[in-house]
Formats: sequence, C-alpha cells, structure tokens
Amino acid sequence: AQKVTQAQTEISVVEKEDVTLDCVYETRDTTYYLFWYKQPPSGELVFLIRRNSFDEQNERSGRYSWNFQKSTSSFNFTITASQVVDSAVYFCALRINAGGTSYGKLTFGQGTILTVHP
Amino acid sequence: NAGVTQTPKFRILKIGQSMTLQCTQDMNHNYMYWYRQDPGMGLKLIYYSVGAGITDKGEVPNGYNVSRSTTEDFPLRLELAAPSQTSVYFCASSPPTGAVGELFFGEGSRLTVL
Repeated sequence: AQKVTQAQTEISVVEKEDVTLDCVYETRDTTYYLFWYKQPPSGELVFLIRRNSFDEQNERSGRYSWNFQKSTSSFNFTITASQVVDSAVYFCALRINAGGTSYGKLTFGQGTILTVHP
Repeated sequence: NAGVTQTPKFRILKIGQSMTLQCTQDMNHNYMYWYRQDPGMGLKLIYYSVGAGITDKGEVPNGYNVSRSTTEDFPLRLELAAPSQTSVYFCASSPPTGAVGELFFGEGSRLTVL
C-alpha cells in the first residue's frame, strides 16, 4: 500500500520569508508519480506540479521550487519570498503506475496549512 | 469557464436520510472521481469512472453509490446517511491521456449528518 506523510500540520510565516513544506512517501512500486496541490480558501484543489519517479531533477517555477530525492523518499516544496496569497492548504500526493484506470487514483497526504502574515 | 461544478455546496442531513451530490463537468473529460476530505486526513477516493457506463470502487466506497450515464455527469448518492459521512466531498475530472494525475476539482460540497 502507498502512503504519503506531511508531518507539518501548520506553518506560519511572515511575508517575504522562505518556507519549505515537507513530503515523505512510501511505495513498493518503482514507477510512480508525485504531485503537489494547493487548496486556497475558496476550497477547490489546484494542481501545481507532477514529477515521475525517473526524473529526479529539481524544478523551479517562479517563486516555487521542488526538491525530489528518491534516496530519502521525499518530495519537498519551497516557496521563496512568501506572499499573503500563498496562504492555503498544500497537499502532496502519490500515484502508482498501475495502468490506465489509475490516472486519478491518488494517495494524498494529510495536508499542511500555510499561513503567511503581512 | 465552468470546469467542474458541484451542487449543493452545503447540506445538513439527519441520520438515515438519503441524498445525491451532483457533479457535472464541461471539459469532455472521460475520467471522473469522487473524493472525501476529512479534517487532518487528506483526501480519500470513494468511486471513480473511466467513461459513461463504467464505474469502480475506490478506497472508501461503503455507504455510497454512483452512476455515469453521460460523459458530463457523475452523481454520488448517499443511502442511509450516518454521522461518519460528515465530510467535504470533492468531485474531480481528468483527461484520459497526457496530463497524468492532473485532476480538475470542483469547489466541494460540505455535508453534515446529525
């Protein structure tokens, strides 16, 4: 069975601080995908990024960056120079490569509530 | 752009009542899903569908039923509501190829069973 753990339940920072959200996953499969989703106060989850298990390159998109390390089974998410609009719940998720019908069968972590104060 | 639309947004049920959560998407996505979100627990998959007429159970299907008569609609039915079904329910959809795991979510339906 797969498992995703986000040990940080809540994080509070002041605007312009950098913040890292941790994600640790467990799976016996060698092929899998990892995701981060953002849930703003409006409620709907918004896709941020997807990585597959064969691509350990770190990725950056504007103020967002992701650090994928298979050796430690971690997929951490860093927000640089945080802004109030970054306040949301962030979910890490895992999907094993079990065929076509598994496309949306994600295993989610518990979520990290990020609050950015002005 | 409507995307994924869920109704109702809020509902209070009494134990033993039944209801249907409606979900419709206008992106012509083949795949649709129902997740529930409990506080501090992340999201868990209830049911999913890979196309009209095809549905399958997810991780926590007990107490729920689904149907998929059209590509657009994927209603979730709760029979004999129980307090354990108090949760926020999310409908999501995705295209069948390409954007692996990139789900498009509705805004959620908050259900309370008293």
